[in-house]
Amino acid sequence: GQQVMQIPQYQHVQEGEDFTTYCNSSTTLSNIQWYKQRPGGHPVFLIQLVKSGEVKKQKRLTFQFGEAKKNSSLHITATQTTDVGTYFCADGSGNTGKLIFGQGTTLQVKP
Amino acid sequence: DTGVSQNPRHKITKRGQNVTFRCDPISEHNRLYWYRQTLGQGPEFLTYFQNEAQLEKSRLLSDRFSAERPKGSFSTLEIQRTEQGDSAMYLCASSFSIQSSPLHFGNGTRLTVT
Repeated sequence: GQQVMQIPQYQHVQEGEDFTTYCNSSTTLSNIQWYKQRPGGHPVFLIQLVKSGEVKKQKRLTFQFGEAKKNSSLHITATQTTDVGTYFCADGSGNTGKLIFGQGTTLQVKP
Repeated sequence: DTGVSQNPRHKITKRGQNVTFRCDPISEHNRLYWYRQTLGQGPEFLTYFQNEAQLEKSRLLSDRFSAERPKGSFSTLEIQRTEQGDSAMYLCASSFSIQSSPLHFGNGTRLTVT
Protein backbone atom coordinates (compact mmCIF):
# COMPACT_ATOMS: atom_id res chain seq x y z
CA GLY A 1 0.00 0.00 0.00
CA GLN A 2 0.91 3.64 0.07
CA GLN A 3 3.90 4.42 2.25
CA VAL A 4 6.22 7.29 2.80
CA MET A 5 9.52 6.67 4.53
CA GLN A 6 11.36 9.34 6.47
CA ILE A 7 14.97 9.46 7.56
CA PRO A 8 16.55 9.94 9.95
CA GLN A 9 14.20 9.00 12.78
CA TYR A 10 16.07 11.20 15.26
CA GLN A 11 18.55 14.03 14.93
CA HIS A 12 20.38 15.86 17.69
CA VAL A 13 22.12 19.08 16.67
CA GLN A 14 23.87 21.93 18.38
CA GLU A 15 22.01 25.22 18.15
CA GLY A 16 23.15 26.99 15.01
CA GLU A 17 23.82 23.81 13.04
CA ASP A 18 21.76 22.89 10.00
CA PHE A 19 19.24 20.03 9.85
CA THR A 20 17.72 18.06 7.01
CA THR A 21 15.02 15.40 6.94
CA TYR A 22 14.22 13.29 3.88
CA CYS A 23 10.99 11.75 2.73
CA ASN A 24 10.80 8.98 0.11
CA SER A 25 7.97 7.21 -1.64
CA SER A 26 7.98 4.19 -3.92
CA THR A 27 5.13 5.73 -5.93
CA THR A 28 4.77 9.09 -7.62
CA LEU A 29 3.13 11.62 -5.36
CA SER A 30 0.66 14.19 -6.63
CA ASN A 31 1.48 16.40 -3.69
CA ILE A 32 3.26 16.30 -0.37
CA GLN A 33 2.54 18.18 2.82
CA TRP A 34 4.83 18.86 5.77
CA TYR A 35 3.70 19.15 9.38
CA LYS A 36 5.46 19.97 12.64
CA GLN A 37 4.46 18.49 15.99
CA ARG A 38 5.90 20.09 19.10
CA PRO A 39 6.41 17.85 22.16
CA GLY A 40 3.00 17.27 23.73
CA GLY A 41 1.29 19.03 20.85
CA HIS A 42 -0.59 18.16 17.69
CA PRO A 43 0.61 18.24 14.07
CA VAL A 44 0.53 21.71 12.55
CA PHE A 45 0.58 22.28 8.80
CA LEU A 46 3.73 23.90 7.43
CA ILE A 47 3.56 23.72 3.65
CA GLN A 48 2.38 21.86 0.58
CA LEU A 49 4.42 21.03 -2.51
CA VAL A 50 2.74 20.15 -5.78
CA LYS A 51 5.06 20.73 -8.72
CA SER A 52 8.01 18.62 -9.81
CA GLY A 53 11.26 20.20 -8.61
CA GLU A 54 9.40 22.79 -6.54
CA VAL A 55 11.34 24.68 -3.88
CA LYS A 56 9.61 26.77 -1.23
CA LYS A 57 11.13 28.75 1.61
CA GLN A 58 9.75 29.87 4.94
CA LYS A 59 12.40 31.95 6.71
CA ARG A 60 15.06 29.40 7.71
CA LEU A 61 13.09 26.42 6.35
CA THR A 62 13.55 25.21 2.76
CA PHE A 63 11.26 22.57 1.31
CA GLN A 64 11.98 20.68 -1.91
CA PHE A 65 9.98 18.29 -4.06
CA GLY A 66 12.00 15.92 -6.21
CA GLU A 67 11.95 16.03 -9.99
CA ALA A 68 10.32 12.60 -10.13
CA LYS A 69 7.87 13.58 -7.36
CA LYS A 70 8.93 10.57 -5.32
CA ASN A 71 10.94 12.36 -2.67
CA SER A 72 10.99 15.54 -0.66
CA SER A 73 13.21 17.23 1.87
CA LEU A 74 13.01 19.82 4.59
CA HIS A 75 16.17 21.76 5.44
CA ILE A 76 16.50 24.08 8.42
CA THR A 77 19.38 26.54 8.40
CA ALA A 78 20.97 27.59 11.71
CA THR A 79 18.63 25.70 14.01
CA GLN A 80 17.17 27.34 17.08
CA THR A 81 15.68 25.77 20.20
CA THR A 82 12.25 26.74 18.92
CA ASP A 83 12.75 24.28 16.03
CA VAL A 84 12.52 21.33 18.43
CA GLY A 85 9.79 18.87 17.51
CA THR A 86 8.89 16.10 15.10
CA TYR A 87 8.62 16.88 11.42
CA PHE A 88 6.29 14.74 9.33
CA CYS A 89 5.87 14.50 5.61
CA ALA A 90 2.52 13.30 4.37
CA ASP A 91 1.33 11.94 1.04
CA GLY A 92 -1.77 13.78 -0.07
CA SER A 93 -2.20 11.96 -3.36
CA GLY A 94 -5.64 10.57 -2.65
CA ASN A 95 -8.68 12.48 -3.83
CA THR A 96 -10.33 12.22 -0.43
CA GLY A 97 -7.94 14.57 1.31
CA LYS A 98 -6.73 11.64 3.42
CA LEU A 99 -3.04 11.98 4.28
CA ILE A 100 -0.59 9.11 4.69
CA PHE A 101 2.05 10.23 7.16
CA GLY A 102 5.67 9.22 7.39
CA GLN A 103 7.15 8.13 10.72
CA GLY A 104 8.57 11.56 11.32
CA THR A 105 11.99 12.93 12.20
CA THR A 106 12.40 14.14 15.76
CA LEU A 107 14.76 17.08 16.08
CA GLN A 108 16.49 17.92 19.34
CA VAL A 109 18.49 21.15 19.55
CA LYS A 110 21.11 21.64 22.24
CA PRO A 111 21.49 25.27 23.30
CA ASP B 1 -13.04 30.20 15.29
CA THR B 2 -11.45 28.27 18.12
CA GLY B 3 -9.98 25.50 16.01
CA VAL B 4 -10.66 21.78 16.32
CA SER B 5 -11.78 20.80 19.80
CA GLN B 6 -11.56 17.31 21.27
CA ASN B 7 -12.93 15.92 24.51
CA PRO B 8 -11.87 14.50 26.82
CA ARG B 9 -8.14 15.28 26.74
CA HIS B 10 -7.32 12.15 28.67
CA LYS B 11 -9.21 8.93 29.30
CA ILE B 12 -8.11 6.04 31.47
CA THR B 13 -10.25 2.95 31.26
CA LYS B 14 -10.11 -0.68 32.19
CA ARG B 15 -9.83 -3.34 29.56
CA GLY B 16 -13.21 -4.41 28.29
CA GLN B 17 -14.93 -1.08 28.90
CA ASN B 18 -16.41 1.08 26.15
CA VAL B 19 -15.18 4.62 25.57
CA THR B 20 -16.46 7.48 23.43
CA PHE B 21 -14.56 10.54 22.26
CA ARG B 22 -15.94 13.71 20.78
CA CYS B 23 -14.55 16.04 18.12
CA ASP B 24 -15.86 19.48 17.18
CA PRO B 25 -14.29 20.54 13.88
CA ILE B 26 -13.78 24.02 12.52
CA SER B 27 -17.30 25.05 11.61
CA GLU B 28 -16.58 25.91 7.95
CA HIS B 29 -14.92 22.55 7.30
CA ASN B 30 -17.02 19.76 5.85
CA ARG B 31 -14.37 17.05 5.99
CA LEU B 32 -13.53 15.39 9.29
CA TYR B 33 -10.84 12.77 9.92
CA TRP B 34 -9.90 10.49 12.77
CA TYR B 35 -6.29 9.43 13.19
CA ARG B 36 -4.50 7.37 15.82
CA GLN B 37 -0.94 8.09 16.92
CA THR B 38 1.34 5.96 19.08
CA LEU B 39 4.70 6.98 20.48
CA GLY B 40 7.35 7.47 17.84
CA GLN B 41 4.95 7.04 14.94
CA GLY B 42 3.17 9.32 12.55
CA PRO B 43 -0.60 9.70 12.67
CA GLU B 44 -2.35 6.63 11.26
CA PHE B 45 -5.57 7.16 9.30
CA LEU B 46 -8.71 5.58 10.78
CA THR B 47 -11.71 7.06 9.01
CA TYR B 48 -13.10 10.16 7.35
CA PHE B 49 -16.41 11.96 6.80
CA GLN B 50 -17.59 14.35 4.17
CA ASN B 51 -20.44 16.15 5.90
CA GLU B 52 -22.42 13.35 7.59
CA ALA B 53 -21.32 10.59 5.23
CA GLN B 54 -18.56 8.25 6.34
CA LEU B 55 -16.71 7.73 3.08
CA GLU B 56 -13.69 5.68 4.05
CA LYS B 57 -12.56 3.42 6.84
CA SER B 58 -9.10 2.00 7.28
CA ARG B 59 -8.78 -1.76 6.97
CA LEU B 60 -6.93 -1.53 10.27
CA LEU B 61 -10.10 -0.36 11.98
CA SER B 62 -11.61 -3.33 13.75
CA ASP B 63 -15.36 -3.75 14.19
CA ARG B 64 -14.96 -2.60 17.80
CA PHE B 65 -14.46 0.92 16.45
CA SER B 66 -17.34 3.01 15.20
CA ALA B 67 -17.55 6.65 14.27
CA GLU B 68 -20.49 8.91 13.59
CA ARG B 69 -21.10 12.43 12.43
CA PRO B 70 -24.87 12.60 12.64
CA LYS B 71 -25.51 16.19 11.54
CA GLY B 72 -22.34 16.84 9.65
CA SER B 73 -20.91 18.88 12.50
CA PHE B 74 -19.36 17.18 15.54
CA SER B 75 -18.21 13.57 15.42
CA THR B 76 -17.89 10.77 17.95
CA LEU B 77 -15.52 7.83 17.94
CA GLU B 78 -16.52 4.85 20.08
CA ILE B 79 -14.31 1.93 20.99
CA GLN B 80 -16.11 -1.08 22.41
CA ARG B 81 -14.50 -3.72 24.61
CA THR B 82 -11.24 -1.82 24.81
CA GLU B 83 -7.95 -3.68 24.70
CA GLN B 84 -4.52 -2.59 25.91
CA GLY B 85 -3.40 -2.24 22.31
CA ASP B 86 -5.96 0.53 21.87
CA SER B 87 -3.88 2.79 24.11
CA ALA B 88 -2.86 5.72 21.92
CA MET B 89 -3.52 9.35 21.12
CA TYR B 90 -6.68 9.74 19.04
CA LEU B 91 -6.48 12.80 16.84
CA CYS B 92 -9.30 14.49 15.01
CA ALA B 93 -8.70 16.80 12.07
CA SER B 94 -10.89 18.81 9.74
CA SER B 95 -10.45 20.46 6.37
CA PHE B 96 -12.24 22.00 3.45
CA SER B 97 -13.34 19.58 0.74
CA ILE B 98 -10.76 20.83 -1.71
CA GLN B 99 -8.12 18.41 -2.94
CA SER B 100 -5.03 18.62 -0.75
CA SER B 101 -6.58 21.08 1.66
CA PRO B 102 -4.37 21.13 4.79
CA LEU B 103 -5.62 19.29 7.85
CA HIS B 104 -6.24 21.18 11.07
CA PHE B 105 -5.73 18.90 14.03
CA GLY B 106 -7.21 19.02 17.49
CA ASN B 107 -5.15 18.43 20.63
CA GLY B 108 -6.23 14.81 20.72
CA THR B 109 -7.61 12.44 23.31
CA ARG B 110 -5.03 10.28 25.03
CA LEU B 111 -6.47 6.87 25.84
CA THR B 112 -4.84 4.56 28.38
CA VAL B 113 -6.30 1.08 28.75
CA THR B 114 -5.23 -0.69 31.93
